[in-house]
Amino acid sequence: GAVVSQHPSWVICKSGTSVKIECRSLDFQATTMFWYRQFPKQSLMLMATSNEGSKATYEQGVEKDKFLINHASLTLSTLTVTSAHPEDSSFYICSARDPGTNLGEQYFGPGTRLTVT
Amino acid sequence: SQQGEEDPQALSIQEGENATMNCSYKTSINNLQWYRQNSGRGLVHLILIRSNEREKHSGRLRVTLDTSKKSSSLLITASRAADTASYFCATDASGTYKYIFGTGTRLKVLA
Repeated sequence: GAVVSQHPSWVICKSGTSVKIECRSLDFQATTMFWYRQFPKQSLMLMATSNEGSKATYEQGVEKDKFLINHASLTLSTLTVTSAHPEDSSFYICSARDPGTNLGEQYFGPGTRLTVT
Repeated sequence: SQQGEEDPQALSIQEGENATMNCSYKTSINNLQWYRQNSGRGLVHLILIRSNEREKHSGRLRVTLDTSKKSSSLLITASRAADTASYFCATDASGTYKYIFGTGTRLKVLA
């Protein structure tokens, strides 16, 4: 099946620094990718839709200047958490939609655990 | 706010018993998917059911969908300790590819 990777799998950073998380579709071209955030013992919250070659669409309440999304190629989307604070510590998961299938199934990356100290 | 609500929030059963989880959603959908997540890990896709389907099976999993009630259920038969995980439903509102996740059910299967 289709594979989506994320890098890094975990990262620890100091408050005030920026962190970039990569999401790659390994065997298909993803025109659309999605970024989710998950706090401990909670569900996944959709943050934004990343569209190749255009601006991301953010969900209500998500600060676009804090969570910068770039989808520069058909296989790569990046999420940059700018000026990270401890409350940004979370599990970040991306997903990618394979346009070659009309089922609507999405493929999820393994997630990136961010800890801000 | 999340589209899906799941119940129960937590479920504890003995190995060999069946586990049933329910998901309700609010708007018309294209598809509904069920995922499993082991603690601190990524998501594992279980089943996708389309809005025009009523039931699907995959191994020990059975999913039903009632679009008139905007609800779905996931049945795991003959549960095993390895089934211990959180289970989420996710729905994509008609006309979009965005999946919104339910609140999840934490299943614990006791050996």
